[in-house]
Amino acid sequence: EAQVTQNPRYLITVTGKKLTVTCSQNMNHEYMSWYRQDPGLGLRQIYYSMNVEVTDKGDVPEGYKVSRKEKRNFPLILESPSPNQTSLYFCASSLYPGDTAGYTFGSGTRLTVV
Amino acid sequence: AQSVAQPEDQVNVAEGNPLTVKCTYSVSGNPYLFWYVQYPNRGLQFLLKYITGDNLVKGSYGFEAEFNKSQTSFHLKKPSALVSDSALYFCAVRDRPGNTPLVFGKGTRLSVIA
Repeated sequence: EAQVTQNPRYLITVTGKKLTVTCSQNMNHEYMSWYRQDPGLGLRQIYYSMNVEVTDKGDVPEGYKVSRKEKRNFPLILESPSPNQTSLYFCASSLYPGDTAGYTFGSGTRLTVV
Repeated sequence: AQSVAQPEDQVNVAEGNPLTVKCTYSVSGNPYLFWYVQYPNRGLQFLLKYITGDNLVKGSYGFEAEFNKSQTSFHLKKPSALVSDSALYFCAVRDRPGNTPLVFGKGTRLSVIA
């Protein structure tokens, strides 16, 4: 089944403790992206990647890192999480950014930073 | 720059009544337009899209949307709402041609009351 898989689904952590949220897709998509969803703010793009080893900042990149060492994986790294990064995170992928098929989304990761 | 607006944070409708979720957009060229739905504790799912052709687009679960170029709108509609339609709905747009990522609206929460 074609899908985007995120792990974990739920995560509670403490301020300053490094964490990684994984994202993997099995559709050979070139484009992958991370969003955070907050009430009243909708989806905001954190980082995106056009292809392997090509990443770029989205609208809210501060406090996040990403890497794209292989096509299928696009992990989101929080080096020193803070409470304002408590949010619902989604990974998405598509064949290319402007693909008329749209994006495939993962099921989300709910992160709480205390 | 491209942008999309969903003017209503919340839409309430009685079961069996028609529903409309509004979306307006701004692009410099011609748009690609999408609707996504998010059910509780789930990722975003593709509903329908307008790329070209007929202004009335039919999608999943009985939803349809009408592209109106003069009003720069792409409202989501359904003739008879179901309680199971209650969810968060996102409109998204991108310019064409080009390879720019989708831009999402802030979402509209639809509540269908039995």
